[in-house]
Amino acid sequence: QKEVEQNSGPLSVPEGAIASLNCTYSDRGSQSFFWYRQYSGKSPELIMFIYSNGDKEDGRFTAQLNKASQYVSLLIRDSQPSDSATYLCASDGGGTSYGKLTFGQGTILTVHP
Amino acid sequence: DGGITQSPKYLFRKEGQNVTLSCEQNLNHDAMYWYRQDPGQGLRLIYYSQIVNDFQKGDIAEGYSVSREKKESFPLTVTSAQKNPTAFYLCASSNTDRGYKETQYFGPGTRLLVL
Repeated sequence: QKEVEQNSGPLSVPEGAIASLNCTYSDRGSQSFFWYRQYSGKSPELIMFIYSNGDKEDGRFTAQLNKASQYVSLLIRDSQPSDSATYLCASDGGGTSYGKLTFGQGTILTVHP
Repeated sequence: DGGITQSPKYLFRKEGQNVTLSCEQNLNHDAMYWYRQDPGQGLRLIYYSQIVNDFQKGDIAEGYSVSREKKESFPLTVTSAQKNPTAFYLCASSNTDRGYKETQYFGPGTRLLVL
């Protein structure tokens, strides 16, 4: 069973701080990794994807991938109350599960003023 | 506007009734997916389709059925065999060109409740 595990929440950070969200995956064949944000009662929206080892930055968001450790993380700098949401990590299955994503259970982030 | 639409937003099912959730996309994506989300849970794959007239079971297909007669449409039927259908149902689509790394985009969802 391919699994994606996210650090248990909820995570609470003060406004302006760095929020760190973590994710591990079991399938070494996974090639692409995705971070989605989901506001309460809404559908997930894509924040970033990453498929190369290292860091990928987009504005206040940085995704980090370490394939050797099977670890993906999302850093949110200068956190804002509007960042309060559930963050979902997902991985593909590489060549064996082309097109399918496996999602983690999500981490609830609360940014308090 | 390009995007994915789902209808209805809320759906009520009576015991023993089959209900169909609609999903339409105008993104010209080849692949479409149906997920179920329960409170406090991640997304679980019900069915997916990578091409018209073909679809595959996901992890929790029992009690559900789908069709893919048109590229734009991927309706999901929740049958009476699904004993615990109350959930948030999400439809997604993606471009199967690997240059896009299979990024999936989601519709707004349908919330199904049992009367």
